[in-house]
Amino acid sequence: NAGVMQNPRHLVRRRGQEARLRCSPMKGHSHVYWYRQLPEEGLKFMVYLQKENIIDESGMPKERFSAEFPKEGPSILRIQQVVRGDSAAYFCASSPGQGRWDEQYFGPGTRLTVT
Amino acid sequence: GQQVMQIPQYQHVQEGEDFTTYCNSSTTLSNIQWYKQRPGGHPVFLIQLVKSGEVKKQKRLTFQFGEAKKNSSLHITATQTTDVGTYFCAGPSAGGTSYGKLTFGQGTILTVHP
Repeated sequence: NAGVMQNPRHLVRRRGQEARLRCSPMKGHSHVYWYRQLPEEGLKFMVYLQKENIIDESGMPKERFSAEFPKEGPSILRIQQVVRGDSAAYFCASSPGQGRWDEQYFGPGTRLTVT
Repeated sequence: GQQVMQIPQYQHVQEGEDFTTYCNSSTTLSNIQWYKQRPGGHPVFLIQLVKSGEVKKQKRLTFQFGEAKKNSSLHITATQTTDVGTYFCAGPSAGGTSYGKLTFGQGTILTVHP
């Protein structure tokens, strides 16, 4: 059973470009979470999605950031007009959604570098 | 807003020594989860504690949930080099409308010297 998959693993973008990060949850998981991590810091919640629905986006900046989890295909975190401050590791996690507080299974992350 | 704090931020030990990290929440938690992240890796779920005063063990790791359900600890006995990494606690975020949203502590970075 494949784990959570994220791609690309490393992404370099120039300031002003767009970054698209993809996440495929574990098989059978319908809940996806995106987190951002700066070096030697904790994980900051960004957004929580279920298929075709954004459940909670309270941790996501209002501008330039968007997320989706379509009926078919991976979840996408999109960052428009990237700035240097967007450089970070972005982790996706999934859970089965069977219990209120399931453990979360994390993907390997996408390391975004903005030059 | 809710805060989840961990101490210490860094811990250096000699192999064989014990290690403890503490987690404190500003609000009462329905449960607490612990994760481990190896250097350059991703967080991996270790355990979830639900009951007041609960103690769980996994080999050399002992996890406790405080009586008031506002604090927790992770204790590692006789550390090994394979224990190196960052240990995070995480609790349900206060307020909001969604299940499953977790607030992570900033983590304790453990270094083990052979």
